[in-house]
Amino acid sequence: EAQVTQNPRYLITVTGKKLTVTCSQNMNHEYMSWYRQDPGLGLRQIYYSMNVEVTDKGDVPEGYKVSRKEKRNFPLILESPSPNQTSLYFCASSLSFTPEQFFGPGTRLTVL
Amino acid sequence: GQQLNQSPQSMFIQEGEDVSMNCTSSSIFNTWLWYKQEPGEGPVLLIALYKAGELTSNGRLTAQFGITRKDSFLNISASIPSDVGIYFCAGLLAGSGTYKYIFGTGTRLKVLA
Repeated sequence: EAQVTQNPRYLITVTGKKLTVTCSQNMNHEYMSWYRQDPGLGLRQIYYSMNVEVTDKGDVPEGYKVSRKEKRNFPLILESPSPNQTSLYFCASSLSFTPEQFFGPGTRLTVL
Repeated sequence: GQQLNQSPQSMFIQEGEDVSMNCTSSSIFNTWLWYKQEPGEGPVLLIALYKAGELTSNGRLTAQFGITRKDSFLNISASIPSDVGIYFCAGLLAGSGTYKYIFGTGTRLKVLA
């Protein structure tokens, strides 16, 4: 089944404790992206990747890192999480230069 | 960061009514997109618009790419209970090595049977 998977789905952590949210897609998509969704603010793009080893900042990259060592995986890294990073995070992927992004099921992160 | 102005923020309508929502921006976009998000899930693409003035339908949904490339609207005709969800517009900024999506703040739709 074609899909985007994210792990974990739910995470509660404390300020400053490094964490990684994994994202994997099985559709051989070149483009992958991370978003955060907050009430009243919609989705905001954090980082995106056009292909392996090619990443770029979205609109709200501060406090996040990403890597794209393999085509199928695009982990989101929070080196030192803070409470303002409490949010619902979505990973998405698509073929290059096509707008139909497929979204993962979301990861709800709470930073205490 | 950039965001699109999407209105209305929420709508409560009776089943069978038509719905209209719109998005405006100060930036010009190459592509306008409309997504629907159901509770507990990620957004799903409904309609993509590629040219200024383009009018596209997908079943009961109709969307238009504004002539100025700074706005778009989505209409849903004869609403049904399964239309419930959050609808997002999104603009795509592409060019010079950039390929970024800017989303609207969403319109929460509730349909009363």
